[in-house]
Amino acid sequence: EVQLVESGGGLVQPGASLKLSCVASGFTFSDYWMSWVRQTPGKTMEWIGDIKYDGSYTNYAPSLKNRFTISRDNAKSTLYLQMSNVRSEDTATYYCTRAGGILRDWGQGVMVTVSS
Amino acid sequence: DIVMTQGALPNPVPSGESASITCQSSKSLLHSNGKTYLNWYLQRPGQSPQLLIYWMSTRASGVSDRFSGSGSGTDFTLKISSVEAEDVGVYYCQQFLEYPRTFGGGTKLELK
Repeated sequence: EVQLVESGGGLVQPGASLKLSCVASGFTFSDYWMSWVRQTPGKTMEWIGDIKYDGSYTNYAPSLKNRFTISRDNAKSTLYLQMSNVRSEDTATYYCTRAGGILRDWGQGVMVTVSS
Repeated sequence: DIVMTQGALPNPVPSGESASITCQSSKSLLHSNGKTYLNWYLQRPGQSPQLLIYWMSTRASGVSDRFSGSGSGTDFTLKISSVEAEDVGVYYCQQFLEYPRTFGGGTKLELK
């Protein structure tokens, strides 16, 4: 059974940095592109970006690419999202998803609240 | 960016009736390889989204055959035949023809 477990969320002040993690199991992590998607409190879905199976290539939403970085550690079956200079509009639930274009499996999500 | 626009449902939908959810893209999602780069997801209340349909009309593993996807290059429909309680939630379409991937705003299904 595929499992994706996100962690690292919480309350963070504007301008701070935060790193989310997603531990994967139930499949060969190093065989798959992985993605991050977020859902705002108003339920809007926003694609953040994805990363190639070997970590050699990433794509980002243009509005986020200067502040967000996706990386992975295949030895640990873990996906990361480094968020910097966070803003109130980054308040959302962040999902780790398996694969690139077709988002086959989703984690349970982790909430990030940006507030002073 | 490709803009995805979803229609609303005339909620609530009576149990056992069919429901059709529409989605429109600002650019054709039909690739020269003959595939249409459109997915559908369902997010049940309090749960994460799950993949229902990919390549516009292929059901994901374990998805009921009451769900079917169809469409052209820019206009798409997710049909649910004989709506059941477990179908309640918000449905999203998503394109993956181009970066950035984009989602529709969601369509809520409520049961009568």
